[in-house]
Order: sequence, then structure tokens, then C-alpha cells
Amino acid sequence: EAQVTQNPRYLITVTGKKLTVTCSQNMNHEYMSWYRQDPGLGLRQIYYSMNVEVTDKGDVPEGYKVSRKEKRNFPLILESPSPNQTSLYFCASSPQLGPYGYTFGSGTRLTVV
Amino acid sequence: TQLLEQSPQFLSIQEGENLTVYCNSSSVFSSLQWYRQEPGEGPVLLVTVVTGGEVKKLKRLTFQFGDARKDSSLHITAAQPGDTGLYLCAEDGGSQGNLIFGKGTKLSVKP
Repeated sequence: EAQVTQNPRYLITVTGKKLTVTCSQNMNHEYMSWYRQDPGLGLRQIYYSMNVEVTDKGDVPEGYKVSRKEKRNFPLILESPSPNQTSLYFCASSPQLGPYGYTFGSGTRLTVV
Repeated sequence: TQLLEQSPQFLSIQEGENLTVYCNSSSVFSSLQWYRQEPGEGPVLLVTVVTGGEVKKLKRLTFQFGDARKDSSLHITAAQPGDTGLYLCAEDGGSQGNLIFGKGTKLSVKP
């Protein structure tokens, strides 16, 4: 089944403790992206990647890192999480940039205390 | 950055009613996508519209792209409880690689 898989689905952590949210897609998509979704603010892009080893900042990149060493994986790294990073996170992929539609993962609900 | 305005923000209707939700921008869309999102899940792509004036149908859902490519609408005929969810429009940001989302219309269809 074609899908984007995120792990974990739920995570509670403490301020300052580094964490990684994994994202993997099995559709050979070139384009991958991370979004966060917050009440009243909607979906906002954190980082995106147009291909292996090519990443760039989205609208809200502060406090996050990403890497794209392989085409299928695009992990999101929070080096020193803070409470304002408590949010619902989504990974998405698309065949390439353009009007192709995105496939989203099921989300990771992160709480930083 | 282009802003997408969606209306209404909330809509609560009875099963069997028809409804229309809207997505508008002050700028021209390169293309527009519509998604449906259920609570706690990721958005699921419904349709992509590219050409001004384009109309696409997906069972009881009809999507229209304005002639000037600055607005779009989603019409649902005979709504069912299974249509409940958050309906999001999104524009492809082009070379910037940013899919820009509206804040959505939250639809509730009561049996």
C-alpha cells in the first residue's frame, strides 16, 4: 500500500531533550515536507526537500532540523524542544514539485512539558 | 506570501442537505488542491484543479475553479455524516516548494 509512515504517533517529552520524528514513504517520491498544525493557525510548513541531499526552510523552521540522506526517509529533529513546539506534526510527500497532490502521514502529536 | 481565505469557518447541517464552501485569494492560483481531514489524521487529497473554469466531480462532490483562477468552490450534494471533517484548500507555491493551506471549513453533518 502506498503510504507515508510517521513514528511515533504520540510523544510526550521534557524541555531540552533531543528527539527525532521519523518519516518514510514507499512511493519513490522526490518531494517531501514537514508541517505543523496548530489551532487557529492551520498547517504551516517547517522544512521541505526536493530530492536527496536537497533541503530548504519553510515558513516556521526555527528550532527544527531535517536531513534527506535517502529518497524514502525525511526525519525531523528537535535538538532542544521547547513547550512552544507542542503541536501536531505531519510529514507529506509528492512525486515532484507541482500540481500532483500530496500524500500525508497520519501525524505525530508532540507534547513538550 | 499568498493568503487563502476559506468560508465559512464552521458549518453544521442535517443529513441530506446541500452545501458549498469557498476558497478565495487576492492573487492568481497556479493550481489548487482540496483536502479533507478527519480529527487526528492527516489531510487526504480530494482533487487538484489547474485550468480556469475547470469543474471536477467526485461522486457527490463538485469542485469548481474560477475563470480568473482566484477562487474555487466545493459543493456537496445530499451530505452524509461520513462527509464530516475539515475541508482544506491549498495552493502549490511553485518554485518555492511550499504548499500554502487555508485554515479550512469545519463541516459537521448530523444524522
